[in-house]
Amino acid sequence: DTEVTQTPKHLVMGMTNKKSLKCEQHMGHRAMYWYKQKAKKPPELMFVYSYEKLSINESVPSRFSPECPNSSLLNLHLHALQPEDSALYLCASSQDRGDYEQYFGPGTRLTVT
Amino acid sequence: QKEVEQNSGPLSVPEGAIASLNCTYSDRGSQSFFWYRQYSGKSPELIMFIYSNGDKEDGRFTAQLNKASQYVSLLIRDSQPSDSATYLCAGTRMDSNYQLIWGAGTKLIIKP
Repeated sequence: DTEVTQTPKHLVMGMTNKKSLKCEQHMGHRAMYWYKQKAKKPPELMFVYSYEKLSINESVPSRFSPECPNSSLLNLHLHALQPEDSALYLCASSQDRGDYEQYFGPGTRLTVT
Repeated sequence: QKEVEQNSGPLSVPEGAIASLNCTYSDRGSQSFFWYRQYSGKSPELIMFIYSNGDKEDGRFTAQLNKASQYVSLLIRDSQPSDSATYLCAGTRMDSNYQLIWGAGTKLIIKP
């Protein structure tokens, strides 16, 4: 059983919609990550939060907006997405930013129509 | 040259045999390595990590690291059909800003 949860499991949205992905971890970790994964590719890092502060933004388009309300929660706000943004969005956490042992949530399968 | 390289496979292994998954890396500064298992449509699951040269065993899994040869491997003993998945190798390097450097993954198929 994963201790990183993500909602929703699946999301279909139009290009004009606004939606949010949610992630929660119950391990007391202080670093949280958003990844994007396309089929047959490894995960691609999008954002890193460390102690609730954004520490890495991998040049992600502004239509993706992360938010970390507290040390257990991580959101990804989506607006005006493109069909090529369709992917599996993964949340992960680690003890802290310098700890490479990252534990993934089950992911949200996003389809943009 | 990719920083972490894996053969994409598929690697087909008969049930009960040893599956050997390999990963090479280009940066001699890389310090630690992680093996993730990913079932189709699911998220990656951390199964092993190794920091030091040599072998590390955990149940049916053995990770091997050879820093001189810049080579990492994962052995799965007594392979089961449930081991069929994509195995991702990820490494670190000192200037990676604490990011994992991912290989493309090897698809493993265990044939009953």
